[in-house]
Amino acid sequence: NAGVMQNPRHLVRRRGQEARLRCSPMKGHSHVYWYRQLPEEGLKFMVYLQKENIIDESGMPKERFSAEFPKEGPSILRIQQVVRGDSAAYFCASSPIRDGALDEQFFGPGTRLTVL
Amino acid sequence: AQTVTQSQPEMSVQEAETVTLSCTYDTSESDYYLFWYKQPPSRQMILVIRQEAYKQQNATENRFSVNFQKAAKSFSLKISDSQLGDAAMYFCAYRSAETSYDKVIFGPGTSLSVIP
Repeated sequence: NAGVMQNPRHLVRRRGQEARLRCSPMKGHSHVYWYRQLPEEGLKFMVYLQKENIIDESGMPKERFSAEFPKEGPSILRIQQVVRGDSAAYFCASSPIRDGALDEQFFGPGTRLTVL
Repeated sequence: AQTVTQSQPEMSVQEAETVTLSCTYDTSESDYYLFWYKQPPSRQMILVIRQEAYKQQNATENRFSVNFQKAAKSFSLKISDSQLGDAAMYFCAYRSAETSYDKVIFGPGTSLSVIP
């Protein structure tokens, strides 16, 4: 059973460009979380999605950031008009439901975004 | 809101010795999970150990053990017989078990160096 997959692993963008980060959850997992890790900091929650639904986006910046998890395909974190402050590692995690409750989150390897 | 604090930005330990990493948290909830994650230079988030708040017994995983003090809201990690491969960032983390979904809240991390 493959783990959580993220691509690309490294992404370089110039200021003003768009960044698209992809996350494929583990097989059988229908819950996806995105976290951001700024340099020298811990991970901070951004958004929680189920298939076709955003459940909690309280950690998402109000502008330029959006996320989706379509019925088919990976979850996408999209950053429009990137700025240098967006440079960070972006982690995706997925979790299954066991015994009627959400269980442990499994983390992907992250995407390191560098904005020039 | 829940918070996680790690008061030791950096720690070092001699190879084969024991080291304890500190973590405190703040919550008004009674049912939750606590975790220690390891992040080596590869940046992959690796779950080291997990503790359910309703369990009084401290969790152990081989050379890793925790000292969970619920009343004091303290959750320290002890690494015995330290190895060079233990060098990494260590993050203490909290997750509610009372909500229908649960984002993970991370502390700022402790950088552990292992001296040969």
